[in-house]
Amino acid sequence: DTAVSQTPKYLVTQMGNDKSIKCEQNLGHDTMYWYKQDSKKFLKIMFSYNNKELIINETVPNRFSPKSPDKAHLNLHINSLELGDSAVYFCASSPPGGTNTGELFFGEGSRLTVL
Amino acid sequence: QKEVEQDPGPLSVPEGAIVSLNCTYSNSAFQYFMWYRQYSRKGPELLMYTYSSGNKEDGRFTAQVDKSSKYISLFIRDSQPSDSATYLCAMTPPGGGNKLTFGTGTQLKVEL
Repeated sequence: DTAVSQTPKYLVTQMGNDKSIKCEQNLGHDTMYWYKQDSKKFLKIMFSYNNKELIINETVPNRFSPKSPDKAHLNLHINSLELGDSAVYFCASSPPGGTNTGELFFGEGSRLTVL
Repeated sequence: QKEVEQDPGPLSVPEGAIVSLNCTYSNSAFQYFMWYRQYSRKGPELLMYTYSSGNKEDGRFTAQVDKSSKYISLFIRDSQPSDSATYLCAMTPPGGGNKLTFGTGTQLKVEL
């Protein structure tokens, strides 16, 4: 059973297009995240939701819009894609208590390539 | 200067070697210190986390934190080819929370 699953795993698209990535976790966690990993493997947080409420919103262009329909799902919609958006986007979740210890459960990532 | 510095490697060692992976950091208020392992084309998975200065052991892995030097280490004993991965250190902000600050990772290759 996949604990944190993301779709699609690979996404190749043209500049200017709009795309979405979906994430679901079956761990019963309340908190979910989007992280971005660039080509140098640097992982940086983008957003975090706790039970459908946005709690972390880093300095991310407003072309990126997260949505959490329920606490098990977190989606990421990106408008007007740019070359610099090419990266691997990871969804993660954390258990109660894990919000202080850094215990995150990551999905396998969605590799976005913008041409 | 990045808040967390980590040598990117690659680090290549023979099977059975003891591996030492390190991170330095600049923010003395970081609270929890984690090591994540990331296999190629996979998501990071948590190996260990520590809070205070000192050592924490889990099987072949030992995490060490030296808050006075702002330096953390991960030691892997009896390294195996299956340990070949990128190892990312990460830290939680002052007051806790999961806005983690990651190092850029050290790529490790354990050769037969």
